[in-house]
Amino acid sequence: AQSVTQPDIHITVSEGASLELRCNYSYGATPYLFWYVQSPGQGLQLLLKYFSGDTLVQGIKGFEAEFKRSQSSFNLRKPSVHWSDAAEYFCAVVGDSNYQLIWGAGTKLIIKP
Amino acid sequence: DTAVSQTPKYLVTQMGNDKSIKCEQNLGHDTMYWYKQDSKKFLKIMFSYNNKELIINETVPNRFSPKSPDKAHLNLHINSLELGDSAVYFCASSQGVNSNQPQHFGDGTRLSIL
Repeated sequence: AQSVTQPDIHITVSEGASLELRCNYSYGATPYLFWYVQSPGQGLQLLLKYFSGDTLVQGIKGFEAEFKRSQSSFNLRKPSVHWSDAAEYFCAVVGDSNYQLIWGAGTKLIIKP
Repeated sequence: DTAVSQTPKYLVTQMGNDKSIKCEQNLGHDTMYWYKQDSKKFLKIMFSYNNKELIINETVPNRFSPKSPDKAHLNLHINSLELGDSAVYFCASSQGVNSNQPQHFGDGTRLSIL
């Protein structure tokens, strides 16, 4: 069965510092992978997605993610975080049913001034 | 121009009551979803409809009944509310059931059971 693991429940970084949020998945075939962000009291906004092709994908708000098949990972990165990036970040993979998303537990990003 | 809108945003009610949450999307999408996000922020799919037909029905108590009057609307009715139903419920939509179509989410409905 597919699964998504986000090992870090929360991460604290200083404003202006670089960020990497980890995501590992379990899936037999080539996965379809997504990163979503949930700001406090808000819904989930799609940051970026990977389906095929270039393993480094660019998203909105200056985020990027790299698909590494050998490591079954799809880590999210940003070179310099802003206070407005404080939110919960979710990684998801499409399941066997071909339209059901399997979600990670989320990583809460805290920004230090 | 809200793409996926849910009402109400907050819902506080007593145990045993019946309540409904409405969802509408103006994206022209064919597929809509209901998710439950628990206190630990874990998202679990409850239902999915494609062109008004039920395609996903996870293990959800039958007190929960989705209704899709047309493909732009997917409402969630909950009977005999229980304390464990307290959560944030998210509606989402996507263009078709193809796996490469991202889901667009509403802002959520925070349900609190007294």
